[in-house]
Amino acid sequence: DSGVTQTPKHLITATGQRVTLRCSPRSGDLSVYWYQQSLDQGLQFLIQYYNGEERAKGNILERFSAQQFPDLHSELNLSSLELGDSALYFCASSAGITGTANEKLFFGSGTQLSVL
Amino acid sequence: QKEVEQDPGPLSVPEGAIVSLNCTYSNSAFQYFMWYRQYSRKGPELLMYTYSSGNKEDGRFTAQVDKSSKYISLFIRDSQPSDSATYLCAMSGPDDYKLSFGAGTTVTVRA
Repeated sequence: DSGVTQTPKHLITATGQRVTLRCSPRSGDLSVYWYQQSLDQGLQFLIQYYNGEERAKGNILERFSAQQFPDLHSELNLSSLELGDSALYFCASSAGITGTANEKLFFGSGTQLSVL
Repeated sequence: QKEVEQDPGPLSVPEGAIVSLNCTYSNSAFQYFMWYRQYSRKGPELLMYTYSSGNKEDGRFTAQVDKSSKYISLFIRDSQPSDSATYLCAMSGPDDYKLSFGAGTTVTVRA
């Protein structure tokens, strides 16, 4: 168990709908990262928050948004869903900002999103 | 061309065999190299972390980095059925905010 909690585990919805994915980082970790994993694109970085502030954006669509709350949990909002948004969405956390140099990135078990 | 290239396999080996996995990359700024293991329907789990060039050993796992060739490897000795998973390489440069992942290689160890 990585200590990163993601809910829900599975989400089935229809095109055009909006969903919210939730993530609680490991105790003490200030950084939260969101990644999308699909069969054709692999693991793609979406966005990073550090202590409530957005630090970096990757390949995140304008229909997607995220935030990190004062208690450090984070939510990823996906709107106007399309079939191509079906994927595994992972949250990861780390103690520091970069999550790379001398720091481990811990992943949650993911949310499987199916858009029908 | 992708920044990190990894053969997706699949790779099937008998129990006890040595598993050899590798990735190539194009960004010469990469300094931190990682291998993650991902079981089906689970999140990636960090296996090995290496800084710059060289070898690192941890039990049955050995990670090698050759920065001059932009090539990294992971070897699993005495492979077990429990090693059956997808192995992803990941890397980053100094002060990077994200990891660049390979596509992952799916490994099956047959009992």
